[in-house]
Amino acid sequence: AQTVTQSQPEMSVQEAETVTLSCTYDTSESDYYLFWYKQPPSRQMILVIRQEAYKQQNATENRFSVNFQKAAKSFSLKISDSQLGDAAMYFCAYRTSGSRLTFGEGTQLTVNP
Amino acid sequence: EAGVAQSPRYKIIEKRQSVAFWCNPISGHATLYWYQQILGQGPKLLIQFQNNGVVDDSQLPKDRFSAERLKGVDSTLKIQPAKLEDSAVYLCASSLIRLADTYEQYFGPGTRLTVT
Repeated sequence: AQTVTQSQPEMSVQEAETVTLSCTYDTSESDYYLFWYKQPPSRQMILVIRQEAYKQQNATENRFSVNFQKAAKSFSLKISDSQLGDAAMYFCAYRTSGSRLTFGEGTQLTVNP
Repeated sequence: EAGVAQSPRYKIIEKRQSVAFWCNPISGHATLYWYQQILGQGPKLLIQFQNNGVVDDSQLPKDRFSAERLKGVDSTLKIQPAKLEDSAVYLCASSLIRLADTYEQYFGPGTRLTVT
C-alpha cells in the first residue's frame, strides 16, 4: 500500500523568509502524481502545486516550488517570501492513474510577522 | 464558476442518532468524492462516484455509512447509527475526467460533525 509521510507536524517561518516542508512517500509504481494541498482554518482544501513523476523538471507556481527526488521518494515544498496568508495546514498527497488520493498527516505552518 | 457546496457546515448529534450530509459538485464534474478527516489527520477517501456509479467504496464502513448520488449530480452521505469515533470533518470534492488524467479535485468547505 502506498503511504505518505510528513515528518514535521509543525513549522514556523518569519514573514518574507523561506521555508521548506518535507514529504516522503512509499510506492512501487513508476508513474504517479504528487500534490501539495493547503488547508486554512476555513477547512477548504486548495491545490497549491502538482508534480507528475515522469517529469524531471521541478514544478513551480509563483512563490511555491517543489524539490522532487524520485529515487529518494522525496517531495518537498519550498515557500519563498512567506506571507501571513500562507499560514495553514499543508498536506502532501499521492496518487497513481485511477487510484485514490492518499494524504499525509499534514504540517501546520505558522507565519510570524 | 461556483465551487463545491456542502451543508450543513456544522452538526452536533448524540451517539446512535443518524445524520446526513449533502454535497453539490461543480457543474459538469462527473466524479464526486467523500472524504473523512479526523482531527490531526489527513483526509481519507470514503467513497468515489463516477456519474451515478460507485468507483471505490473500499474504505466506507458499510454497516453504518451509506451514500448515493442522485442523477449523477448531488450526493448525500448518511451515518446511521453514529458512533463517537465518527466525529470528524466530512469533505466533498469533485473533478472532471480528462484524458491526461491529471485532473484536479476541487474541495468543498466540509461539514464538521461532533458526536457526543
